[in-house]
Amino acid sequence: KQEVTQIPAALSVPEGENLVLNCSFTDSAIYNLQWFRQDPGKGLTSLLLIQSSQREQTSGRLNASLDKSSGRSTLYIAASQPGDSATYLCAVGDNYGQNFVFGPGTRLSVLP
Amino acid sequence: DAGITQSPRHKVTETGTPVTLRCHQTENHRYMYWYRQDPGHGLRLIHYSYGVKDTDKGEVSDGYSVSRSKTEDFLLTLESATSSQTSVYFCAIKGNTEAFFGQGTRLTVV
Repeated sequence: KQEVTQIPAALSVPEGENLVLNCSFTDSAIYNLQWFRQDPGKGLTSLLLIQSSQREQTSGRLNASLDKSSGRSTLYIAASQPGDSATYLCAVGDNYGQNFVFGPGTRLSVLP
Repeated sequence: DAGITQSPRHKVTETGTPVTLRCHQTENHRYMYWYRQDPGHGLRLIHYSYGVKDTDKGEVSDGYSVSRSKTEDFLLTLESATSSQTSVYFCAIKGNTEAFFGQGTRLTVV
């Protein structure tokens, strides 16, 4: 059974810092991996999707990497802003591309 | 934003009553999912559908049933609501790759 963990559980940084969020999974036979952000009381917003054959994806100040063999993905946020404050979740797609398993999330606070 | 709408957005119901939540999509995606999100448990899959009339159970399916009679609609039914089903419910859709989520339904069972 796929298990997904995220470290740290919470992170507080001053505005302008670069930061890395980590996602680990136990079964490397994945279809893809997707990063989401969730604002309090809101739904999940898709940030980046990495296919199993890819090493990284970039969107603006966000860069996500994937190392299947080690069961790890990282989300890099450059020049953090207070508007980046949210909970960030990773979701691992199973090898059939049908279902995905979520990590518990990292709650990020960016202080002005 | 992906065309996905959940209704109702908020609901308070009494223990023992039936409740149906609706998820509607305009993207013609094959896969649709129902999750619940609870503090300390994260997002947990209740049921999912891989086509019209094709559904399967997730990890927390007890007490829930689903139906998908049209590509665009996926219904989640609590046959007899219990207090343990107080939660925020999210619908998600997925085509071949990326998943998109609705805004959620906050259900309170009193």
